[in-house]
Amino acid sequence: DIVMTQSPDSLAVSLGERATINCKSSQSVLYSSNNKNYLTWYQQKPGQPPKLLIYWASTRASGVPDRFSGSGSGTDFTLTISSLQAEDVAVYYCQQYYTTPTFGQGTKVEIK
Amino acid sequence: EVQLVESGGGLVQPGRSLRLSCAASGFNFDDYGMHWVRQVPGKGLEWVSGIRGNSGGIGYAVSVKGRFTISRDNAKNSLYLQMNSLRAEDTALYYCAKGDSTSSGWFDAWGQGTLVTVSS
Repeated sequence: DIVMTQSPDSLAVSLGERATINCKSSQSVLYSSNNKNYLTWYQQKPGQPPKLLIYWASTRASGVPDRFSGSGSGTDFTLTISSLQAEDVAVYYCQQYYTTPTFGQGTKVEIK
Repeated sequence: EVQLVESGGGLVQPGRSLRLSCAASGFNFDDYGMHWVRQVPGKGLEWVSGIRGNSGGIGYAVSVKGRFTISRDNAKNSLYLQMNSLRAEDTALYYCAKGDSTSSGWFDAWGQGTLVTVSS
């Protein structure tokens, strides 16, 4: 299985400031035949199921605010929240779907 | 609106069986792969199993292979997970998740989950 490692495990950011979460895969999730990165990001708020934020590493899902953006390729990826809002407090997970799906351990985002 | 409603969880003794169900609505069920993903409360996410829309392709996590069986009934818009030989480490919240439209492997809708507790 591909191992997904997120950093940091938690971070505290002031309202309106940028939050950056990193995700590293143990092998490349870039499929050469279509040049797509098989990487997605989810947001999970307390007591709720995960919600899809981004797929193909950088495509926002329907209805996701544009302050959320994804970047990266190969084995290194980043989720950026450009201006943190109170409703963004959550745990964020990356997931690869290049092979049998596996998730990162999660990054908890809090307000400083 | 897509809705996924899981049921069938509960307290079960080690070695016993349990069958989870997921009732789907709001989309053309036949056209989508469906999955089970579990989460130990307070911990991370683990994909358990997935099945293609026509049941032609099925996959399992190594941790459950040979003990769990996924199935679906497209006529009833329902997904199932038969869990046999349950172990304490199977204790988790089990989510039903809808696969993406391209069957690439992400999950674009989730149910609220059903809790399975394996304990004597």
